[in-house]
Amino acid sequence: VQLVESGGGEVQPGKSLRLSCAASEFSFSASPMHWVRQAPGKGLQWVAFTSYDGTTESYADSVKGRFTVSKDSSRNTLYLQMSSLRPEDTAVYYCASGSLEWSYFVRWGQGTLVTVSS
Amino acid sequence: QSALTQPAYVSGFPGQPITISCTGTSNDIGGSNYVSWYQHVSGKAPKLIIYDVNNRPSGVSDRFSGSKSGSTASLTISGLQAEDEGDYYCCSYATSVNFDWVFGGGTKLTVL
Repeated sequence: VQLVESGGGEVQPGKSLRLSCAASEFSFSASPMHWVRQAPGKGLQWVAFTSYDGTTESYADSVKGRFTVSKDSSRNTLYLQMSSLRPEDTAVYYCASGSLEWSYFVRWGQGTLVTVSS
Repeated sequence: QSALTQPAYVSGFPGQPITISCTGTSNDIGGSNYVSWYQHVSGKAPKLIIYDVNNRPSGVSDRFSGSKSGSTASLTISGLQAEDEGDYYCCSYATSVNFDWVFGGGTKLTVL
């Protein structure tokens, strides 16, 4: 199973950014997917979830209304659209495949760094 | 949801056992059997080592084991090895209010 994140970079507060996660070597279309982040010097924080078919989404309170997760099974790619970015969104963002029961994170990518700074 | 509570640091000598605790509430750990543990070595992808309290994915050493009592989950590593160094995170999946995954603050394991 391979998950490769991209799209990170430095962005000013209030701006938008879209992260991508390319999946290979597993059944992406049948997998729930997550985004998890790690701020500098901090621990892991769950950010967003989408069910295998995109009919169920869930977000951490800290990003609700600003971030949107989506899944394109035809391209085997997961996205995270981030808007109204804040300095506290600075983190390494990981995509992770979810278990069929939704209870845990099966495989993780290596992450992409997002820096929100003026 | 508040983060689960883990000790910040744990250390041990090669060959010794160590245990990392993870304390939550009745709304998360105490209310479900959906506790998982992850090993994270800096610069690498986090790795699942325990799921649903005490299940090991294939390929994970049987030196790793998990348990739960009330609102506290534990990860035990028997026979510490140098390669076990890294950060360890517990996570609880809660569905009481919304679909929610809460991590512990992480424990840095040092093999002396």
